[in-house]
Amino acid sequence: GAVVSQHPSRVICKSGTSVKIECRSLDFQATTMFWYRQFPKQSLMLMATSNEGSKATYEQGVEKDKFLINHASLTLSTLTVTSAHPEDSSFYICSAAVGLVHTGELFFGEGSRLTVL
Amino acid sequence: AQSVTQLGSHVSVSEGALVLLRCNYSSSVPPYLFWYVQYPNQGLQLLLKYTTGATLVKGINGFEAEFKKSETSFHLTKPSAHMSDAAEYFCAVTSSENNDMRFGAGTRLTVKP
Repeated sequence: GAVVSQHPSRVICKSGTSVKIECRSLDFQATTMFWYRQFPKQSLMLMATSNEGSKATYEQGVEKDKFLINHASLTLSTLTVTSAHPEDSSFYICSAAVGLVHTGELFFGEGSRLTVL
Repeated sequence: AQSVTQLGSHVSVSEGALVLLRCNYSSSVPPYLFWYVQYPNQGLQLLLKYTTGATLVKGINGFEAEFKKSETSFHLTKPSAHMSDAAEYFCAVTSSENNDMRFGAGTRLTVKP
């Protein structure tokens, strides 16, 4: 099946620094990529939707200046957590869609666990 | 707006027993419903989906789910649990009018020998 790769899988950083997480679709071109945040024992919370070559659409309550999303190509999207603080510590998951989401062709990365000290 | 609620954050069954994971949805438009499974240290994998047509849908690994509009439910079942079924299961909803997916909180399934 289609493969989505996230890197790094785990990252620890100091408060105030910025961290970049990459999401790549390895064997297909993704029309849309999504970024989710998952808190322990909670749902995947959609943060933003990104389409190649255009600005990401952020969900209400998600700071776009804090969570910078770049979707430079049909196979790569990046999430940069700027000036990270301990409350940003979380599990971040990306997914990539081939066509429309409701067709079910949505593939997920393995997630990236961010710990901010 | 669409949402799903998964009843029970943790379900424990014995090997060979029936698995029932509950999901109820809320949607003002016809929903498309999904079940995903997440094994440790892996990404989410699609188990099955309901879009239109037959309300009983079969997925991989012997799982199936039934869309019941009158009950706004999409419960996941498997007649006989296997040790390898131990994982986190997520119910999700979207529609033909949306291009994003909303997830439930997840249910952790434990299978006892």
